[in-house]
Amino acid sequence: KQEVTQIPAALSVPEGENLVLNCSFTDSAIYNLQWFRQDPGKGLTSLLLIQSSQREQTSGRLNASLDKSSGRSTLYIAASQPGDSATYLCAALIKAAGNKLTFGGGTRVLVKP
Amino acid sequence: DTAVSQTPKYLVTQMGNDKSIKCEQNLGHDTMYWYKQDSKKFLKIMFSYNNKELIINETVPNRFSPKSPDKAHLNLHINSLELGDSAVYFCASSRRGAEKLFFGSGTQLSVL
Repeated sequence: KQEVTQIPAALSVPEGENLVLNCSFTDSAIYNLQWFRQDPGKGLTSLLLIQSSQREQTSGRLNASLDKSSGRSTLYIAASQPGDSATYLCAALIKAAGNKLTFGGGTRVLVKP
Repeated sequence: DTAVSQTPKYLVTQMGNDKSIKCEQNLGHDTMYWYKQDSKKFLKIMFSYNNKELIINETVPNRFSPKSPDKAHLNLHINSLELGDSAVYFCASSRRGAEKLFFGSGTQLSVL
């Protein structure tokens, strides 16, 4: 059974500092790994999707890496801004019938001005 | 235009009632999902439909019944609501079931 863990559960940084968010998964037979952002009272917004054959994806200030052998993915957010404050969730898509996404518990990020 | 829309946004009801949550996507996706986010913020899949066919049915009480009249709609009907059903329910869609997921804004269900 795939388990996805995100540590820490919460993170507070001063504006301008780089953010490093960790995600670990137990089953390396994943199809892809996605990072999402969730604002309070809102749905999830997909940030980056890394296919199992890729090692990283970049979008603007965001960079996500994937190391299947160690069961880890890291989301880097450069030069954090107060608007980056949100909960960030990672989710692994396992290679099983139905393409089921397994989510981590999220990391709640606060960027202080 | 909203890509994945679900209604209502808030639903407050008494135990034992039957309620429905509607979901529609205008992205042309062929796979739709229902997820439940509990009070600890964990998201778990409940159901997945591909072209109106059920493909994932997690261990969910049979009081929960999804209905997909066409591939743009996936509604969730809940019978005999219980206190433990209180949560935020998210609808989502994707193309071919393995691409990025697009989520609705959620329905906060409170059972009193």
